Amino acid sequence: DGGITQSPKYLFRKEGQNVTLSCEQNLNHDAMYWYRQDPGQGLRLIYYSQIVNDFQKGDIAEGYSVSREKKESFPLTVTSAQKNPTAFYLCASGYRGGNEQFFGPGTRLTVL
Amino acid sequence: SQQGEEDPQALSIQEGENATMNCSYKTSINNLQWYRQNSGRGLVHLILIRSNEREKHSGRLRVTLDTSKKSSSLLITASRAADTASYFCATDAITQGGSEKLVFGKGTKLTVNP
Repeated sequence: DGGITQSPKYLFRKEGQNVTLSCEQNLNHDAMYWYRQDPGQGLRLIYYSQIVNDFQKGDIAEGYSVSREKKESFPLTVTSAQKNPTAFYLCASGYRGGNEQFFGPGTRLTVL
Repeated sequence: SQQGEEDPQALSIQEGENATMNCSYKTSINNLQWYRQNSGRGLVHLILIRSNEREKHSGRLRVTLDTSKKSSSLLITASRAADTASYFCATDAITQGGSEKLVFGKGTKLTVNP
């Protein structure tokens, strides 16, 4: 089945640790995105990538890092520099051009 | 910054009634999209309306767009309990790097009571 997957579904992190969230798609999409969602809020763009080996900062990139070594994969690392990382993280992919995006099921990160 | 702002923030109706949600935005757009999110899940694309369109239908969904007022509405007719979800509008925007991105509003939480 074609789709976009995220793992793990739930992630717990101790303060000071880096954690990496996985995002994989087999939809042959060039563009991939990472969003953060806080309770009762909309989505805020963290990083995006329009093509392999290239990515750009979104609106709230501080404390996060990404890589795009393969078309199918766009992992997000939440570093210890992110002061308030507890949130719901959503990955999406789509064709270049700002149209429909396809979302993964999300990863809920909790800092203990 | 979030360009789209949905209204109301929360809406509770009875099954069979119609639900109307509104979205306002600030700058010119090429298109506007509506997404649905069930609690704790990812977003699902519902419908896209282009700036030169005024109305679009998809099943029980009806979307209107008024570019002069920078607003859109999503109407769900004959609602069902399964329509319970949060609904977000998203507008296209240009990043500082010149790429296109979507900007999401805060959403309307719809509850349909059986």
